[in-house]
Amino acid sequence: GAGVSQSPSNKVTEKGKDVELRCDPISGHTALYWYRQSLGQGLEFLIYFQGNSAPDKSGLPSDRFSAERTGGSVSTLTIQRTQQEDSAVYLCASSLGGPNYEQYFGPGTRLTVT
Amino acid sequence: KNEVEQSPQNLTAQEGEFITINCSYSVGISALHWLQQHPGGGIVSLFMLSSGKKKHGRLIATINIQEKHSSLHITASHPRDSAVYICAVLGSQGNLIFGKGTKLSVKP
Repeated sequence: GAGVSQSPSNKVTEKGKDVELRCDPISGHTALYWYRQSLGQGLEFLIYFQGNSAPDKSGLPSDRFSAERTGGSVSTLTIQRTQQEDSAVYLCASSLGGPNYEQYFGPGTRLTVT
Repeated sequence: KNEVEQSPQNLTAQEGEFITINCSYSVGISALHWLQQHPGGGIVSLFMLSSGKKKHGRLIATINIQEKHSSLHITASHPRDSAVYICAVLGSQGNLIFGKGTKLSVKP
């Protein structure tokens, strides 16, 4: 079946603009995660959705970052007033259940803020 | 000190060699993941384990909960194994805490 998909695959934006990144998880997966990987850095947790529960936003780096998950499926990560330090690959993953299930990663969105 | 430490950071091996990548962690966990990231950037989950040992093909992962240590072994390594291998532990809030990765290069 289809894996996790993300769009766009690449996004170049000017500093100060808002961007929206989309994640389509595997059908039936109740958990969805957003991660960030900056150039030369390790992976960093951003936010976690589990079913209809309130998301765990503890990893969001600033209030310019927000995420929604509509209908328990598709998720959108929004970055307002982008800064150059926001340039990174943003990865989405989903899992069948909670954190004790294997996570399946999407291909990522490479964001470049000029 | 990082909560998840991997060693070595970089590893070069000859085809056929037995490879070991180590991961130590300082936080309490319920599970540990080993991930593989190829040069194109895609990430694949290799193992998720909370005790003992798991084997998949030429890959073996072990974990010692008491010592807070896990190892990933690759037997009969091949150039296609060249990738970054990432250890991640499951934190108390359900999020993954990642190591910085081990970059493996297997020469033919």
